Amino acid sequence: AQTVTQSQPEMSVQEAETVTLSCTYDTSESNYYLFWYKQPPSRQMILVIRQEAYKQQNATENRFSVNFQKAAKSFSLKISDSQLGDTAMYFCAFMKPPNTPLVFGKGTRLSVIA
Amino acid sequence: EAQVTQNPRYLITVTGKKLTVTCSQNMNHEYMSWYRQDPGLGLRQIYYSMNVEVTDKGDVPEGYKVSRKEKRNFPLILESPSPNQTSLYFCASSLGNTRLTDTQYFGPGTRLTVL
Repeated sequence: AQTVTQSQPEMSVQEAETVTLSCTYDTSESNYYLFWYKQPPSRQMILVIRQEAYKQQNATENRFSVNFQKAAKSFSLKISDSQLGDTAMYFCAFMKPPNTPLVFGKGTRLSVIA
Repeated sequence: EAQVTQNPRYLITVTGKKLTVTCSQNMNHEYMSWYRQDPGLGLRQIYYSMNVEVTDKGDVPEGYKVSRKEKRNFPLILESPSPNQTSLYFCASSLGNTRLTDTQYFGPGTRLTVL
C-alpha cells in the first residue's frame, strides 16, 4: 500500500518570502500522479499543482512549483512571493492510475505572516 | 461553471436518524468518490464509483451506503448515523479517462455532527 508523509505539521513564512513544504511517499509503482491540494479556512479542497511521474520536468503554476525527485520519492512544494491568502492547510496526495483513491498525507498548516 | 456541489453544507442530527448527503457534478465525469476528513487522520475514502451502477468500497465504508443511478449524482446515505460519523465529508469527481492526468475535483464539503 502507498503511504504519503508530510513531516512538517506547521510552518510559517513572512509575506513575500519563499517557503518549501516537504512530502515523501512510498510506492513500488512506476506510473503514478502526485498532487498538492490547499485547504483554506473555508475548508474547500483546492488543487494547487499536479505532477505525472513519467515527466522529468518539474511542474510549475505561477508562484507554485514542485521539486520532484522520483528516485528519492520526494515531492516538495515551493511557494514563492508568499501572500496572506496562501495561509491554509496543504495536503500532498498520491494516486496510481486509473481511478484509484487519492492517498493523502496528514497535511502541513502554513501561516503567512504580514 | 464547472463544479461539484454538495448539500447540505452543515447538518446536525441525532443517532439513528437516516440521512442523505447529495453530491452532483456538471462536468460529465465518470469517476466519483466520497471522502471523510478527521483531525489527525487526514482524508480517507469511503466509497467510489467508476460509472453509473458501478460502486465499490474505499478504506472506511462501514456505516455508509451509496448509489449511482445517474452519471451526475452520487449520494451518500447514512442509514443509522452514530456519533463516530461526525466528520467533514467531501465528494470528488474526475474524468476517469486513463489517458489523461486524472485530477479529482472536490465539492465544498459537508460538516456533519451526530449527537
